[in-house]
Amino acid sequence: DAKTTQPPSMDCAEGRAANLPCNHSTISGNEYVYWYRQIHSQGPQYIIHGLKNNETNEMASLIITEDRKSSTLILPHATLRDTAVYYCIVDSGTSYGKLTFGQGTILTVHP
Amino acid sequence: GAVVSQHPSRVICKSGTSVKIECRSLDFQATTMFWYRQFPKQSLMLMATSNEGSKATYEQGVEKDKFLINHASLTLSTLTVTSAHPEDSSFYICSAPTSTGDTQYFGPGTRLTVL
Repeated sequence: DAKTTQPPSMDCAEGRAANLPCNHSTISGNEYVYWYRQIHSQGPQYIIHGLKNNETNEMASLIITEDRKSSTLILPHATLRDTAVYYCIVDSGTSYGKLTFGQGTILTVHP
Repeated sequence: GAVVSQHPSRVICKSGTSVKIECRSLDFQATTMFWYRQFPKQSLMLMATSNEGSKATYEQGVEKDKFLINHASLTLSTLTVTSAHPEDSSFYICSAPTSTGDTQYFGPGTRLTVL
């Protein structure tokens, strides 16, 4: 599976959009981009995933560049409860759910 | 949405004892479940894949005789930490993929402290 690079930490003001970047320059054509987050002392929570088209759900939007070498997770109106570690994971799906977690980005939402 | 539960949520035990952690899929069946371990300020590390009806497969460096996994049914996997030592103290998390395999649901985790 391709490796991802994320900034170690980011800050965001409550109510503003949080834009979390992820680089995955070695991504293969059949690999998806997944985003999970982990709130302190809890299990990870699935957020969104995509292959090459932009995706949106009730939690977030995922913007994938045309060359697929990077992506951005957007939380449109961040709240204090969105403070968590956000993991960007690239996976082909052939591992059937077996995920390799990097260090992620610690997002802190401030009042 | 689908829910995965773990029991207990936290356990404290003495060195040398064994501890069993349960992982259940509450509203879906899971022929495969995954066990992860997370040390403080570190990311999740996959320990093993639990397979219903067959032996678990372990990641490199994980002792299969120390971390016993039993996938007893389509909704239950157990991880037993045998002869626990303080270095086994960690946050243990299980997960189960959906039937399509494109997303994964995680349990809330079990905090193990070995004294």
